[in-house]
Amino acid sequence: DAGITQSPRHKVTETGTPVTLRCHQTENHRYMYWYRQDPGHGLRLIHYSYGVKDTDKGEVSDGYSVSRSKTEDFLLTLESATSSQTSVYFCAISEGQGGKGLAGAGTGELFFGEGSRLTVL
Amino acid sequence: AQSVTQLDSQVPVFEEAPVELRCNYSSSVSVYLFWYVQYPNQGLQLLLKYLSGSTLVKGINGFEAEFNKSQTSFHLRKPSVHISDTAEYFCAVEGGKLIFGQGTELSVKP
Repeated sequence: DAGITQSPRHKVTETGTPVTLRCHQTENHRYMYWYRQDPGHGLRLIHYSYGVKDTDKGEVSDGYSVSRSKTEDFLLTLESATSSQTSVYFCAISEGQGGKGLAGAGTGELFFGEGSRLTVL
Repeated sequence: AQSVTQLDSQVPVFEEAPVELRCNYSSSVSVYLFWYVQYPNQGLQLLLKYLSGSTLVKGINGFEAEFNKSQTSFHLRKPSVHISDTAEYFCAVEGGKLIFGQGTELSVKP
């Protein structure tokens, strides 16, 4: 199994509070991603990173920010959580093929963490 | 723009029966196609992928999929399912960015 650890695995918080989810990898993969999974929507990309301090928005980035100060860690922050952000969040990694942005991700396999279930009351 | 449609949200089937999970896509560029599986309370893992070459792709756990360019489909099949195949299955298309379908819940009953 790919070495991907998400923390926390479960969190309940209140509207308006900040929340940070952490993804840690031991594979030294270049690309890291944050997805959210909601019934009827499949997985939707929030943000991704193609290197240390290189990040970009996905399709549902509003209300989220990310940081990657080390190859192995990718943090997802909800500055002020809302009930619409109740979801299961998945981190994924891939090796990539070089270049910038999603074009450099290539066709490599994505490896997923086990997910973080966030409930915003 | 790309899109992916999984035609069935739920597929119930009896053990040892064949199954087909349907996936259609649209794209203005050439695409790569994937099927991922998600077992309960776990992340997704790759079942199989089509990048080029033979349109019939074999994956893990006895699954296979056929790329049909004229029908823009990439249906997943297994000739005989097991209880352990109960999971959610996601079709994904990459044509510059990776887009996931909404998922199909496969429920295998004894």
